[in-house]
Amino acid sequence: QKEVEQDPGPLSVPEGAIVSLNCTYSNSAFQYFMWYRQYSRKGPELLMYTYSSGNKEDGRFTAQVDKSSKYISLFIRDSQPSDSATYLCAMIAGYSSASKIIFGSGTRLSIRP
Amino acid sequence: DTEVTQTPKHLVMGMTNKKSLKCEQHMGHRAMYWYKQKAKKPPELMFVYSYEKLSINESVPSRFSPECPNSSLLNLHLHALQPEDSALYLCASSHRGTQYFGPGTRLLVL
Repeated sequence: QKEVEQDPGPLSVPEGAIVSLNCTYSNSAFQYFMWYRQYSRKGPELLMYTYSSGNKEDGRFTAQVDKSSKYISLFIRDSQPSDSATYLCAMIAGYSSASKIIFGSGTRLSIRP
Repeated sequence: DTEVTQTPKHLVMGMTNKKSLKCEQHMGHRAMYWYKQKAKKPPELMFVYSYEKLSINESVPSRFSPECPNSSLLNLHLHALQPEDSALYLCASSHRGTQYFGPGTRLLVL
């Protein structure tokens, strides 16, 4: 079993829809949770990061962490064609300066105009 | 400023060539990373430098040789690569567990 599971998609939704992206994990030591957006042939861009359980909102993006269920989500409101990208969840156990980050496999998202 | 820069953007090299990839950050981060990413896969960790010392080597072949000349710079020296080494090479730096990635160098080995 992988430490982090993420549905690879592809996921296609119409413009303006609410998008829900999810990851599950097995390591209860994970404390920091991140979402990266990666456009084709570009480096990953940090979108959101949260520490432990709870919600965090930034504009159209909301990240949720449920440590009891080992489940994290990213919601995108009012989705735009420019949101079409691969979304990678990532998590880390500690924050020593050399901690290893564990990535999900990435979900390919397409927003139809 | 959360910028990590990488040069070159693209690189084509033959299997007998020697080349270097460069990475720079001025955020004061004391950990820097090299990743390799193949198409439709997540980034795969290669090396971690912490306080300019190599702390993690994920059993990477010796044809890849990392170097950290100072706290802002990270190099990856390439020699005698194979076609299967063609990929996007990403540099990252981190602060409190959060990693910031550069745009990557797209490498093609012929």
